[in-house]
Amino acid sequence: EDKVVQSPLSLVVHEGDTVTLNCSYEVTNFRSLLWYKQEKKAPTFLFMLTSSGIEKKSGRLSSILDKKELFSILNITATQTGDSAVYLCAPYRGSTLGRLYFGRGTQLTVWP
Amino acid sequence: DVKVTQSSRYLVKRTGEKVFLECVQDMDHENMFWYRQDPGLGLRLIYFSYDVKMKEKGDIPEGYSVSREKKERFSLILESASTNQTSMYLCASSFMGVSYEQYFGPGTRLTVT
Repeated sequence: EDKVVQSPLSLVVHEGDTVTLNCSYEVTNFRSLLWYKQEKKAPTFLFMLTSSGIEKKSGRLSSILDKKELFSILNITATQTGDSAVYLCAPYRGSTLGRLYFGRGTQLTVWP
Repeated sequence: DVKVTQSSRYLVKRTGEKVFLECVQDMDHENMFWYRQDPGLGLRLIYFSYDVKMKEKGDIPEGYSVSREKKERFSLILESASTNQTSMYLCASSFMGVSYEQYFGPGTRLTVT
């Protein structure tokens, strides 16, 4: 059975802190892993990772995939209150017609 | 910009009513998805469709059906609404085979009383 585990489930930090969010997966026929950010509305796409060891960056956010150990991390440096959201990871299996398998998410709260 | 719209932001229905949730996308995406989201449970896939008139069950299809008569429109139907179907419903769409990125609608918060 496919499994996606995100940790921690929730995290409270102060502005300026750096956080690391984890996503481990056991998914057959793994192809890629996607990260989404969800504020009080629809999830929005952050990254898609397909190759191990290649960091993707967007401003203060970065992410990396380890296909041998079956996990990915999402780093946020110099956090701001606007980073408060639920962060979702979603592995993609090949041959599943575009379906993603979402984890339960990490609720990040950033206090001023 | 990709736009995915859902027919209602908030909906209140009575137990036993038939409920229709509509989703429309304007990017000619082949794939469309219906999820429900509950606190602590993340996004759970109800049904998805990869072409007109095609549908596949997700993880929690019981109590739901879907219809896709046109490429841009994907409807979720609750044949007889129950209180345990009170939830946030999110629709999403994506291209087939180009990118796995899914674009989400704003969600419909359904309350069944």
